[in-house]
Amino acid sequence: AQSVTQPDIHITVSEGASLELRCNYSYGATPYLFWYVQSPGQGLQLLLKYFSGDTLVQGIKGFEAEFKRSQSSFNLRKPSVHWSDAAEYFCAVGGTNAGKSTFGDGTTLTVKP
Amino acid sequence: NAGVMQNPRHLVRRRGQEARLRCSPMKGHSHVYWYRQLPEEGLKFMVYLQKENIIDESGMPKERFSAEFPKEGPSILRIQQVVRGDSAAYFCASSPGDSSYEQYFGPGTRLTVT
Repeated sequence: AQSVTQPDIHITVSEGASLELRCNYSYGATPYLFWYVQSPGQGLQLLLKYFSGDTLVQGIKGFEAEFKRSQSSFNLRKPSVHWSDAAEYFCAVGGTNAGKSTFGDGTTLTVKP
Repeated sequence: NAGVMQNPRHLVRRRGQEARLRCSPMKGHSHVYWYRQLPEEGLKFMVYLQKENIIDESGMPKERFSAEFPKEGPSILRIQQVVRGDSAAYFCASSPGDSSYEQYFGPGTRLTVT
C-alpha cells in the first residue's frame, strides 16, 4: 500500500531564511510525486510534480524539490522564504493504476518577520 | 478554462438534515476525488469516482455518506442525517486520468452543523 509521511507538523522560519520540508513515501513502483500548498480558507494549489527524468524539479513561487529514490524522499526547498509563503504544505504520491493519490498529513509553515 | 467549481461554498444544516455538496470538474476531466478536512487536521481521502462509477470508496464512512458522478451533471456528495461531527471543509478535486496526474482542487464547501 502507498503512504506518505511528513514528519514535521509545524515549522517556523524567519523571513529570508531557507526552507526544507520533508516528505517520505512508500510505493511499490515508480512513484508520481506532488507538492501542494493550501492557504487558510482556500483549496489546494499544485506547486510542483515529479514523474520521471531529472530528479530536481522546479515549481512555482521559487520552490524546488528533489526526488531521492534511495531515501524514498521528495523534500521541498526554497532558498529564501517570504512572509506570503506561510501556509500548509501537502506532499502526495500516486502512479499509474494506483487509483487515488495518497496525501501526507501536511506541514504548517509559519514565517517570522 | 474554468477551474473546479464547488457549491455551495458555505452550508449550514441542523442536526438530522441532509447536506448535498456539488462539484463540477474541470472541462475534459473524468476523474473526481472527494476529501474532508476537519478543523486543524489534514486532508482525508473519502472517495474516487469516474463517470458513473465509484472506483475507490475506502475513505467513506459506512453510514449516511454517499457519492455519485453521473454521466451528465456534477458529482454529488450526500450526507444524510448530519451530526455535529460532520462539520468540516469538503474539497473536490478532478484530474484527466488516474493518480499519475496532478489533481486540481476546488475552493471547498464549508459545512457547519448546528
